[in-house]
Amino acid sequence: SQTIHQWPATLVQPVGSPLSLECTVEGTSNPNLYWYRQAAGRGLQLLFYSVGIGQISSEVPQNLSASRPQDRQFILSSKKLLLSDSGFYLCAWSEWTGQETQYFGPGTRLLVL
Amino acid sequence: RKEVEQDPGPFNVPEGATVAFNCTYSNSASQSFFWYRQDCRKEPKLLMSVYSSGNEDGRFTAQLNRASQYISLLIRDSKLSDSATYLCVVNMGYQLIWGAGTKLIIKP
Repeated sequence: SQTIHQWPATLVQPVGSPLSLECTVEGTSNPNLYWYRQAAGRGLQLLFYSVGIGQISSEVPQNLSASRPQDRQFILSSKKLLLSDSGFYLCAWSEWTGQETQYFGPGTRLLVL
Repeated sequence: RKEVEQDPGPFNVPEGATVAFNCTYSNSASQSFFWYRQDCRKEPKLLMSVYSSGNEDGRFTAQLNRASQYISLLIRDSKLSDSATYLCVVNMGYQLIWGAGTKLIIKP
């Protein structure tokens, strides 16, 4: 069966510091991968998605970036965090883009102070 | 108008009651619809897909009304464990658009 891992579970970072969140998927090949952010009381906002190694599409202009160095690894990064980057970051995978359902990792709760 | 809208609630419902909530969507070309459940401070988990003819899974019934562009979720014989936020998700071509969720609180 497929599993998706995210770490760390929680993170407190000062404004201006860098960020690196990692997501890995097991039990499937060539998944589509997604990074979402959920602000308190809000819906999920798609940040990035990837249909293959090195292929990243950005949905929202911001100071975040994403990379997919391996088939089942998806990394979310920032060089300098802003207060507004605080939120719940969720990684998800699906068999193929759009039509199929998405399955989520446990998420990383980020607080930027 | 938001692409996917939900009543945020909370819906406070006694245990054993039936509760229903809707979700409206703006893109008439949407083809796929889902309900996810999200517990407090946890990741969303798929509850059920919504099919054109409507579908049922135990105590949960999902329906789609294309003419009025909404989907609904009905929960019968509600349990305390049904307390959660229910997220409506609509496929808009190449990505899923998420509603902000409806919070449901089941009271003993």
